[in-house]
Amino acid sequence: EVQLVESGGGLVQPGGSLRLSCAASGFTVSSNYMSWVRQAPGKGLEWVSVIYSGGSTYYADSVKGRFTISRDNSKNTLYLQMNSLRAEDTAVYYCARLSAAGRPTPTGTSYYFDYWGQGTLVTVSS
Amino acid sequence: SYVLTQPPSVSVAPGQTARITCGGNNIGSKSVHWYQQKPGQAPVLVVYDDSDRPSGIPERFSGSNSGNTATLTISRVEAGDEADYYCQVWDSSSDQGVFGGGTKLTVL
Repeated sequence: EVQLVESGGGLVQPGGSLRLSCAASGFTVSSNYMSWVRQAPGKGLEWVSVIYSGGSTYYADSVKGRFTISRDNSKNTLYLQMNSLRAEDTAVYYCARLSAAGRPTPTGTSYYFDYWGQGTLVTVSS
Repeated sequence: SYVLTQPPSVSVAPGQTARITCGGNNIGSKSVHWYQQKPGQAPVLVVYDDSDRPSGIPERFSGSNSGNTATLTISRVEAGDEADYYCQVWDSSSDQGVFGGGTKLTVL
């Protein structure tokens, strides 16, 4: 059974740092595309970052240069290092596994989030 | 960056059909995926690849995608379908996920 369990959330002051973890079971993190998605209180879903199985990483413009996605293959765990945190980073952070859509499209391969963790709340406030 | 537009809310009576739209420039050329999120819970995939359903999702949930609009259709709506629904695409040109703003489905 596929499971994703996030941890590491909490209260942090503006400008501070936090590292989120996402422990996976039932599949191998390093063989899959993995993402972080966040949701500010009362707001919609916002994609944050992705790490491909080959190790390439990409970020939303809102977090580029401040957040770093990584993984520990020996622990089968995904991470999100968050630095220079701002009030607008306050959100529930979800880790999710990506799967490739089967339908070929002119715009390239599409991916969707097939498994999600339960989320961990990050609050940035003084 | 690619933008997806959803209506903020849709209301429907039990037993009727709900249609939730997702607009985007030439979205018909992309694969669209849909998620259901109930309060305090993580999102759940209900439709992927425009119209496919994951195992365990009722046949009442279906999707279509053409031109500039993708649509999630929920037939014979039940009280338990009340939730927020999000469409999503993958922008391969920038390697980024894109979500619509979400639609709150209210069952009257």
